[in-house]
Amino acid sequence: AQSVTQLGSHVSVSEGALVLLRCNYSSSVPPYLFWYVQYPNQGLQLLLKYTTGATLVKGINGFEAEFKKSETSFHLTKPSAHMSDAAEYFCAVSSDRGSTLGRLYFGRGTQLTVWP
Amino acid sequence: DTEVTQTPKHLVMGMTNKKSLKCEQHMGHRAMYWYKQKAKKPPELMFVYSYEKLSINESVPSRFSPECPNSSLLNLHLHALQPEDSALYLCASSRGPASGGENIQYFGAGTRLSVL
Repeated sequence: AQSVTQLGSHVSVSEGALVLLRCNYSSSVPPYLFWYVQYPNQGLQLLLKYTTGATLVKGINGFEAEFKKSETSFHLTKPSAHMSDAAEYFCAVSSDRGSTLGRLYFGRGTQLTVWP
Repeated sequence: DTEVTQTPKHLVMGMTNKKSLKCEQHMGHRAMYWYKQKAKKPPELMFVYSYEKLSINESVPSRFSPECPNSSLLNLHLHALQPEDSALYLCASSRGPASGGENIQYFGAGTRLSVL
């Protein structure tokens, strides 16, 4: 079984401050991990992904995430927040094995607010 | 190009109407998905087509009827919907379950559906 827990449904930061959005996963098989961003009235846009290889992955818009197997975490960070980063962020897990082949499991989402 | 195109962007329908949502991709993807998303919630999987065959139906009511006429096109036929069906309907596509970590789902912008 696979699942995702996003700690904190709302995160607020000042412009220029560090952004940290937390994601923990549960998976009985090696996971593939994703962060998606959703701006108001839009679809989901892929920010970054971890499949295999380097555990620190870089995405678009200056975001990055680190896969930590021992902590079952995949937290999303950005050194300096920008007003345009305000959006809903979803962490998701999938796998290429088992009966849930290719299916995405989403966390509940984290709303990021950036204050000027 | 990672574009998934959904039409229409907005749809208002009465409970006795019949309407259809359309989704198109030209990335050569062989898996296509329908999701329903309520406000401030993650997307909920409704249907998955893999190689133009329905592979997952998440116990969706029969008033929603999916169709995959070819590998590039996915439709969702709507009939006798209820007000609680009002939501953002998202389409996604991916290479297919057998592509491992590269089975990344790309989302369209969605159709905002209101049922009166």
